[in-house]
Amino acid sequence: QSVLTQPPSVSGAPGQRVTISCTGNSSNIGAGYDVHWYQQFPGAGPKLLIYANKNRPSGVPDRFSGSKSGTSASLAITGLQAEDEADYYCQSCDISLGDYVFGTGTKVTVL
Amino acid sequence: QITLKESGPTLVKPTQTLTLTCSFSGISLTTYGVGVGWVRQPPGKALEWLALIYWDDDQRFSPSLRSRLTIAKDTSKNQVVLTLTNIDPVDTATYYCIHTPDPTGVGLGRYFHHWGQGTLVTVSS
Repeated sequence: QSVLTQPPSVSGAPGQRVTISCTGNSSNIGAGYDVHWYQQFPGAGPKLLIYANKNRPSGVPDRFSGSKSGTSASLAITGLQAEDEADYYCQSCDISLGDYVFGTGTKVTVL
Repeated sequence: QITLKESGPTLVKPTQTLTLTCSFSGISLTTYGVGVGWVRQPPGKALEWLALIYWDDDQRFSPSLRSRLTIAKDTSKNQVVLTLTNIDPVDTATYYCIHTPDPTGVGLGRYFHHWGQGTLVTVSS
């Protein structure tokens, strides 16, 4: 079950900035656990996009950024590009529902 | 270069046991802090973490599936095997093998750095 809530979809025109929220509670994000983000294209496996709230693995463009505050986190995409159209998932740990939990997922559409 | 690849049946009958194998390279389950495990994704739905096994043989399972899951490692073959018993059509999903690195110095809580391509398992009679 997904205990981290994300908006089902966000959209923006090329070049715009979009943000995706990831809302948890005091058992996961609010307990101090880091938030990580994954990008998934149709028919493909997820790819790590942001780890430990704000860090980008090698090769991830700097137009992707992450932040965390309280019981929620956000992923921002600045200078939106057509190739960013994908599904995005947040992930954290939860002390009451099992070690690892994912968000509900957000579909990003480039208009 | 780190690679993970899933193998196993594509079609399983209800009540049977599903056995999936993850074969990996570029990492070792004898290295401190390393873990290999599984995540699944039903068609059109969100990701769901299933299980992880760590370098020290510690094993963790999703609470909702704990009674049906086992996980084991073979360090000589660089493989991790997942079994899911009493399978049901709701278990139809793409199953991904995942790698989690040593989190020391990074933060609180692990992430899944590398993923396999996934294998679709359909449960149907």
